[in-house]
Amino acid sequence: AQSVTQPDIHITVSEGASLELRCNYSYGATPYLFWYVQSPGQGLQLLLKYFSGDTLVQGIKGFEAEFKRSQSSFNLRKPSVHWSDAAEYFCAVGAAGGTSYGKLTFGQGTILTVHP
Amino acid sequence: DTGVSQDPRHKITKRGQNVTFRCDPISEHNRLYWYRQTLGQGPEFLTYFQNEAQLEKSRLLSDRFSAERPKGSFSTLEIQRTEQGDSAMYLCASSLKGTYTFGSGTRLTVV
Repeated sequence: AQSVTQPDIHITVSEGASLELRCNYSYGATPYLFWYVQSPGQGLQLLLKYFSGDTLVQGIKGFEAEFKRSQSSFNLRKPSVHWSDAAEYFCAVGAAGGTSYGKLTFGQGTILTVHP
Repeated sequence: DTGVSQDPRHKITKRGQNVTFRCDPISEHNRLYWYRQTLGQGPEFLTYFQNEAQLEKSRLLSDRFSAERPKGSFSTLEIQRTEQGDSAMYLCASSLKGTYTFGSGTRLTVV
């Protein structure tokens, strides 16, 4: 069974500081990996995704993530955080094949607070 | 086509009542998913459809839950005899070839 762990429940950074949100996954084969952002009371917006190829993935809003197979990780990074980045961030793993193809398993989320 | 639409956005119901939510996916997307998200948690998979066929149901989907997707277009999720534990955000998503789009969700409060 696939699973996702986001070790940090809450992270606080100052505006302009760099950011790294951690994500570790468990999956028996090559996974599809995603990062979503959710503002309070809203749905999920896709930041970036990894299917195959280059392990450094660029996304929207200046975010990037690196897939490291040896560490089963897919950490999200941003070099300089803006106050508008304050939200909850979810890492997700998806089955790349089989009967559960397309089903996403999410981590518990990391709440990002940005101080001015 | 502006994305995945969910209706209603909010629903307050009394315990024991039935509720139905609707999801309109992106028209060319062949897969449709329902997820449930409780406070402080990530979304949890409930069920999904490929066109009109319901291909998988989570054990979270008790007998009180039923989902349909007639003609492979919109989908409905019905909860019968609601319980307080059903209070959550119900998210719908559609996908085509791995590209997922989520709706804004329906927030259910059972009082």
